[in-house]
Amino acid sequence: DAGVIQSPRHEVTEMGQEVTLRCKPISGHNSLFWYRQTMMRGLELLIYFNNNVPIDDSGMPEDRFSAKMPNASFSTLKIQPSEPRDSAVYFCASLGVGYEQFFGPGTRLTVL
Amino acid sequence: DAKTTQPPSMDCAEGRAANLPCNHSTISGNEYVYWYRQIHSQGPQYIIHGLKNNETNEMASLIITEDRKSSTLILPHATLRDTAVYYCIVRVGSGGSNYKLTFGKGTLLTVNP
Repeated sequence: DAGVIQSPRHEVTEMGQEVTLRCKPISGHNSLFWYRQTMMRGLELLIYFNNNVPIDDSGMPEDRFSAKMPNASFSTLKIQPSEPRDSAVYFCASLGVGYEQFFGPGTRLTVL
Repeated sequence: DAKTTQPPSMDCAEGRAANLPCNHSTISGNEYVYWYRQIHSQGPQYIIHGLKNNETNEMASLIITEDRKSSTLILPHATLRDTAVYYCIVRVGSGGSNYKLTFGKGTLLTVNP
């Protein structure tokens, strides 16, 4: 298995633009997580899905952020409009029947 | 989930055992201790987890005190590739749909040649 796949790996955009981050979980995993990592705040859980249904979105910073999981093999995290303070590394992780969350390589987002 | 306390940094000589401590004095009876690590510029990686008994796998050993208020992750023969931030996390282990992991600041382990 290729593991969790995230795209793009790097994204540079200007303030006010829409940003869409993509994640493909490991096949057969039924839970998916979006995390954000910054130097100031560390690694934070934004939202997680179980069987494509959002279970806990309490970590989503504000209405500018939205996440979807239209099917078991794809999820998106959208920021609209983006702001410089959204600059961070965004990780996606998936979980199967065990206890281990498998993390993707991350998307490094820079908002100018 | 219970809060954990870890030293911000530790050093270890290559080839020696690395012992990383974690305090979790408010842990509840149904909460597990998990360890993840994050090598620079990569996503976190699961290492090991346990409830009350000591655990060992191909990566590390986990020693949990009898009162469960603290634990130690042991890397028996540290290599330069083990240089990473190590996170100790306490959470309810199984059942339901609560699979959240709450990451603290972790311990930066530097393995020196």
